[in-house]
Amino acid sequence: EIVLTQSPGTLSLSPGERATLSCRTSQSVTRNYIAWYQQKPGQAPRLLIDGASTRATGIPDRFSGSGSGTDFTLTISRLEPEDFAVYYCQQYGVTLYAFGQGTKLEIK
Amino acid sequence: QVQLQESGPGLVKPSETLSLTCAVSGYSISSNFFWGWIRQPPGKGLEWIGSIYHSGSTYYNLSLKSRVIISVDTSKNQFSLRLSSVTAADTAVYYCARPTSGVGSGYGFWGRGSLVTVSS
Repeated sequence: EIVLTQSPGTLSLSPGERATLSCRTSQSVTRNYIAWYQQKPGQAPRLLIDGASTRATGIPDRFSGSGSGTDFTLTISRLEPEDFAVYYCQQYGVTLYAFGQGTKLEIK
Repeated sequence: QVQLQESGPGLVKPSETLSLTCAVSGYSISSNFFWGWIRQPPGKGLEWIGSIYHSGSTYYNLSLKSRVIISVDTSKNQFSLRLSSVTAADTAVYYCARPTSGVGSGYGFWGRGSLVTVSS
């Protein structure tokens, strides 16, 4: 069973700053099948990135994903007020999916 | 535009079976894709429950496998979740979801979620 560990648990930054969120997996991920989601209170998660680095439709280019193997990163280049939310990474495929525990991005 | 909508009882008694349905519009469920269920306990993170392929093949979270059944009804264009022997720990918002464009993509389409509370 694959385990995804996100860090930090909480990240306090100001608008305009750069955010770097980490996701480490307990085993190598096939075909870089890693997705990143943003979730705001009372809403369903929103897909930001899949394939580790491919932005979903309509996602601003300040969001970028990178990584391979067991280490993956979501970067938000310049934080906008609407970016403060909880972010989850996910390993996906055919037979098994798993989520990380989330990183809360809060306004400093 | 693909839309998913969860429905079912909002309150279930301990030891009973939780049943939810996800109605799909804008796409024929029999065409393709693994259709998934995900849950989120209040104030906590996301947990993948399982998936069903349009053909009926199922895949479950190992930690829930003994209590979960996911089924599909192509005639009604919907799929369903049954979770047996529930406890308070199963209280959560339950989401149904679909990948954007196949196995190589994440869940691009989500329902709005259905809160299920387990309580006597």
